[in-house]
Amino acid sequence: NAGVTQTPKFQVLKTGQSMTLQCAQDMNHNSMYWYRQDPGMGLRLIYYSASEGTTDKGEVPNGYNVSRLNKREFSLRLESAAPSQTSVYFCASQPYGQVNTEAFFGQGTRLTVV
Amino acid sequence: KNQVEQSPQSLIILEGKNCTLQCNYTVSPFSNLRWYKQDTGRGPVSLTIMTFSENTKSNGRYTATLDADTKQSSLHITASQLSDSASYICVVSAEGTYKYIFGTGTRLKVLA
Repeated sequence: NAGVTQTPKFQVLKTGQSMTLQCAQDMNHNSMYWYRQDPGMGLRLIYYSASEGTTDKGEVPNGYNVSRLNKREFSLRLESAAPSQTSVYFCASQPYGQVNTEAFFGQGTRLTVV
Repeated sequence: KNQVEQSPQSLIILEGKNCTLQCNYTVSPFSNLRWYKQDTGRGPVSLTIMTFSENTKSNGRYTATLDADTKQSSLHITASQLSDSASYICVVSAEGTYKYIFGTGTRLKVLA
């Protein structure tokens, strides 16, 4: 049982390049999230998907797009990377987002934009 | 504004000692409060989840308390081990939302 799997683990991009961060969970969870973690700050929500077929903006969505491909997969796309998007990105999943269920996080993707 | 503040920012203790980490929040209306452990280079792992009606919840050597009246929570670690060295993050969610407010964490280092 792999839990939440993120790929890649590390990535270096040049300013203006695009890329997609992949996330997959094998726990049959309905809700999935993308966060970024920056030094000295708490995790901040970029986008979330309450259930398959729905996505909503979080606290810091600018510069990002998401796709809930199916129940298992939730991808995050940077269309034109900027140095301000240098961060560690975490994907998380939860059975249902609005009840007191445990959320599971992936290992993170460390992204550097130069 | 919904906020979660944690103290101290960092803490160093000797192996075998106890410690208590603090979390104050202003999130309203309150739904639940979670404590996570995050090892360096890894994703957060859930320790406890508490709702409004719960005052105390334990997970092995970790005991979380919640005072919903004063909007304060604490995480007590008993008989610390080297493997407890990590960041501990307090997270609060507001009722009716999918959004979680994360604290900046307390970085704990346990020395032999």
